[in-house]
Amino acid sequence: DIQMTQSPSTLSASVGDRVTLTCRASQSISSWLAWYQQKPGRAPKLLIYKASRLESGVPSRFSGSGSGTEFTLTISSLQPDDFATYYCQQYDTYYTFGQGTKLEIK
Amino acid sequence: EVQLLESGGGLVQPGGSLRLSCAASGFTFSSYAMSWVRQAPGKGLEWVSALSDDADSTYHADSVKGRFTISRDNSRNTLYLQMNTLRAEDTAVYFCAKAYSSGYVFFDSWGQGTLVTVSS
Repeated sequence: DIQMTQSPSTLSASVGDRVTLTCRASQSISSWLAWYQQKPGRAPKLLIYKASRLESGVPSRFSGSGSGTEFTLTISSLQPDDFATYYCQQYDTYYTFGQGTKLEIK
Repeated sequence: EVQLLESGGGLVQPGGSLRLSCAASGFTFSSYAMSWVRQAPGKGLEWVSALSDDADSTYHADSVKGRFTISRDNSRNTLYLQMNTLRAEDTAVYFCAKAYSSGYVFFDSWGQGTLVTVSS
């Protein structure tokens, strides 16, 4: 089974900061990686797919990069609405989610 | 607009059974693979089961294999999850999720979830 590991587990940041979240796969998944944002009590929302493709309607301050086993999600300038939990997901072989990174206000 | 509406959750005793439903609208249901994903209280997301667009192939996570069965009725635009021999660790919010295509790819739409509580 493919394992996904996200770091850090929690990230404290301020509005306007540039932040980078990391996701590592236990084996190569090419670019078959998605990123989701989830707020408390809500369903996850797709942000990025195929490692770097921005979902329609998602602000351009979100960007994804990486391939193989190392991936990042970058938010160029944090907005108040961005404080949430972020999950990566591989879809190379069935599906596996990372454990999540909680982005909190400093 | 894509809409996914889960139902069927509730309180069940350990060893019991429950069937979840997910009513889909706003897209051609029979053209897309579908999945169930769960989230235990305060925990992360866990993929549970996936089903091809034509229902010919199914996949289940090891944690539910042999106990859960995913199915669909394309004539009713509805996805199901039959859950048997339920355990306390199956307690979670269960989301249905639409794949971006007929294949097993990322999820572009999610329902709001239905809570399953397994407790005596």
